[in-house]
Amino acid sequence: GAVVSQHPSWVICKSGTSVKIECRSLDFQATTMFWYRQFPKQSLMLMATSNEGSKATYEQGVEKDKFLINHASLTLSTLTVTSAHPEDSSFYICSARGSPSATSYEQYFGPGTRLTVT
Amino acid sequence: AQKVTQAQTEISVVEKEDVTLDCVYETRDTTYYLFWYKQPPSGELVFLIRRNSFDEQNEISGRYSWNFQKSTSSFNFTITASQVVDSAVYFCALSGWADKLIFGTGTRLQVFP
Repeated sequence: GAVVSQHPSWVICKSGTSVKIECRSLDFQATTMFWYRQFPKQSLMLMATSNEGSKATYEQGVEKDKFLINHASLTLSTLTVTSAHPEDSSFYICSARGSPSATSYEQYFGPGTRLTVT
Repeated sequence: AQKVTQAQTEISVVEKEDVTLDCVYETRDTTYYLFWYKQPPSGELVFLIRRNSFDEQNEISGRYSWNFQKSTSSFNFTITASQVVDSAVYFCALSGWADKLIFGTGTRLQVFP
């Protein structure tokens, strides 16, 4: 099956610094990637959708200047949390999807990145 | 607007009991997809099933079974003879074609030995 990786799996950073999270589709070309955020004991909330080569579409309430998303290639998307603060501490999950077709539609999820801002 | 409701926040059962996780959805689309995911303590989402709106056949996979009923907008998930390894948070999700996933709030299942 399709594999999506995330790096790092966990990261601790100091308040005010920026941190970059990578999401890679290892064995397929991902035309669309999604970034989710999950607080403890809560559901996944979609932050943004990015299509390769295009600007990301952010969900309402998500600060695009704080959460920078780049999807420069068909196998890599990055999420940069700028000037991180403790309230940004969360579990960030990406998913990737290939070109929609009659039979292929799945979003494949990465293992997640746990961010702790101190 | 699309919405997924998982009314059961937490369920606790003893091993070997059967358990059903409820999922009710709302959508105006005629073509849509329903999903179930498992999230164990490690955090990684595990895909369990996808069902499209035109296929109301129930599905069984080992100890897992799913009941899709368009008449009640429900897509319930049953685990037969539960095991401790089934302990996890289970999410029901909905999407349109080539659209984003809308997740329910999840049901935390605890299976005690």
